[in-house]
Amino acid sequence: EPEVTQTPSHQVTQMGQEVILRCVPISNHLYFYWYRQILGQKVEFLVSFYNNEISEKSEIFDDQFSVERPDGSNFTLKIRSTKLEDSAMYFCASGKDTYNSPLHFGNGTRLTVT
Amino acid sequence: AQSVTQLGSHVSVSEGALVLLRCNYSSSVPPYLFWYVQYPNQGLQLLLKYTSAATLVKGINGFEAEFKKSETSFHLTKPSAHMSDAAEYFCAVSAPGGGTSYGKLTFGQGTILTVHP
Repeated sequence: EPEVTQTPSHQVTQMGQEVILRCVPISNHLYFYWYRQILGQKVEFLVSFYNNEISEKSEIFDDQFSVERPDGSNFTLKIRSTKLEDSAMYFCASGKDTYNSPLHFGNGTRLTVT
Repeated sequence: AQSVTQLGSHVSVSEGALVLLRCNYSSSVPPYLFWYVQYPNQGLQLLLKYTSAATLVKGINGFEAEFKKSETSFHLTKPSAHMSDAAEYFCAVSAPGGGTSYGKLTFGQGTILTVHP
């Protein structure tokens, strides 16, 4: 069964550095999402992406964050200048269409900012 | 605005016993409701979903959930727990709508299910 693939599984970075989290969604999916889960807290919606543009974003998704689908297969989340509070598990998800098909989540990237 | 509350961050049951994981939601529009499961070091896997059809929804691995509008609840049950059910379970809500609205999920805080022999 096709899977959503995220790399790396764990990334450690220093405060102020830029990080790019990578995701390969399922190939025929059209809707893409990033979620994050800070340790001990709820999974939170960050951003949704469709037709090569952001559809919705949460209050968390400020100017430090950006998303891109550079080549039709990868879907990336960039954090320009990481802060300690960006440490979290980041999940990518993709969906084929609307309510008839479920979201498929990747295994996540654990980002640790030191 | 939508929100989800899962009662009980940890639930422990014996193998073969009934599993009941509680979820209450708040939504200003008729909701779509979901249960996801997360096994260690894995992503979130959909167990079942309610999208305004039958109120009793059957999912994978013998789980089911009932949508009760009057109680704003969507509790997850399984008649007989198995050791392999040990995982973290998340209830989530989204709003009907076009485009990416369906996948914009609001999650509960999760319930860790422990199954002991």
